[in-house]
Amino acid sequence: NAGVMQNPRHLVRRRGQEARLRCSPMKGHSHVYWYRQLPEEGLKFMVYLQKENIIDESGMPKERFSAEFPKEGPSILRIQQVVRGDSAAYFCASSYFTGELFFGEGSRLTVL
Amino acid sequence: DQQVKQNSPSLSVQEGRISILNCDYTNSMFDYFLWYKKYPAEGPTFLISISSIKDKNEDGRFTVFLNKSAKHLSLHIVPSQPGDSAVYFCAATGVGGANNLFFGTGTRLTVIP
Repeated sequence: NAGVMQNPRHLVRRRGQEARLRCSPMKGHSHVYWYRQLPEEGLKFMVYLQKENIIDESGMPKERFSAEFPKEGPSILRIQQVVRGDSAAYFCASSYFTGELFFGEGSRLTVL
Repeated sequence: DQQVKQNSPSLSVQEGRISILNCDYTNSMFDYFLWYKKYPAEGPTFLISISSIKDKNEDGRFTVFLNKSAKHLSLHIVPSQPGDSAVYFCAATGVGGANNLFFGTGTRLTVIP
């Protein structure tokens, strides 16, 4: 039973480009969460999605960031027009209901 | 606004001794607390949790203590092993479940053989 799969593991973008991070939850999990970890900080909640629905995006920056979890395929976290401050590790987690979270290995975004 | 605080960024302990990692929180609405362990280049993995109706939860070498009046919890690892070397995150939540999970900044534990 594969765990939460995130890709790419590392992504380098120049300022102004777009970053797309993908997350496939554990089999049978329909709840997906995205967290961001800035350098020297803890993980901060960004968004919580169920299939085709955004349940809570209170932690998501209002501009340039969007997330989706389509009926088929992985959840996508999209960052448009990236800036240096977006450089961080982005972790996806999934759960069966709202129980224990299982985290992926993270995607490390570096903005040059 | 850091509602969960881990004031010690690092801790070194001799193998076989006790490791004590501390965590403080400010929000009195938190009622469920978790510890996650993270190795480099990996995602956090759940370690142990405690509900606010308890003051202690034990799982093998790991024990979490909760002091609600002080808004403080601690993770005890005894005996410490080199494989325990990792970053430990404290997390807390109240109403809303995992989408309202607040993490501390982590404590890097190094167990010296």
